Amino acid sequence: DFQMTQSPSTLSASVGDRVTITCRASQSISNWLAWYQQKPGKAPKLLIYKASSLESGVPSRFSGSGSGTEFTLTINSLQPDDFATYYCQQYNSYWWTFGQGTKVEIK
Amino acid sequence: EVQLSESGGGLVQPGGSLRLSCAASGFTFSNYAMSWVRQAPGKGLEWVSSISGNGGSTYDADSVKGRFTISRDNSKNTLFLQMNSLGAEDTAVYYCAKNGRLSSSSWADYWGQGTLVTVSS
Repeated sequence: DFQMTQSPSTLSASVGDRVTITCRASQSISNWLAWYQQKPGKAPKLLIYKASSLESGVPSRFSGSGSGTEFTLTINSLQPDDFATYYCQQYNSYWWTFGQGTKVEIK
Repeated sequence: EVQLSESGGGLVQPGGSLRLSCAASGFTFSNYAMSWVRQAPGKGLEWVSSISGNGGSTYDADSVKGRFTISRDNSKNTLFLQMNSLGAEDTAVYYCAKNGRLSSSSWADYWGQGTLVTVSS
């Protein structure tokens, strides 16, 4: 089974900061990784797929990188709307696995 | 515009059954795999099941294998999740999600608003 480990679990940041979230896979998943944003009481929203492809309509301050077992989600110039929880997801196999989530809080 | 609308959630006793539905519109339903993802109160996302576009292949998480069955009716653009032998650990918001491509090995590009399932006596 694939395990996905995100770090940190919680991140405190200010508007305008550059934020980086890391996701590590227990074994290589090539670039079969997606990132989602979720706000309280709402469904997740796709941000990035195939590790670095930006979903249509997602602001360009979001970017993804990595391959194999280590991946990052970067938010350049954090905006008030970006305070949320972020999840990575591997789809290297038919059995999906999500990371445990990273909550981005206001400092 | 892609729309996914879940229904069928509610309160059920331990050991009981429930059938969730997800009505889809705004895309060619049979061209995409579909999935169910759940989220227990205050917890993270947990993948439950996926089904291929033609319904011929299904995949289940170990935690629900043998108890939950995913299916679809492409003539009615509807996805289902039959849940049997429910336990307290199944209490969660259940989201229907459209896969980004025909294969079940995919990201989820659209999500429904979710339906709450509460298992309690």
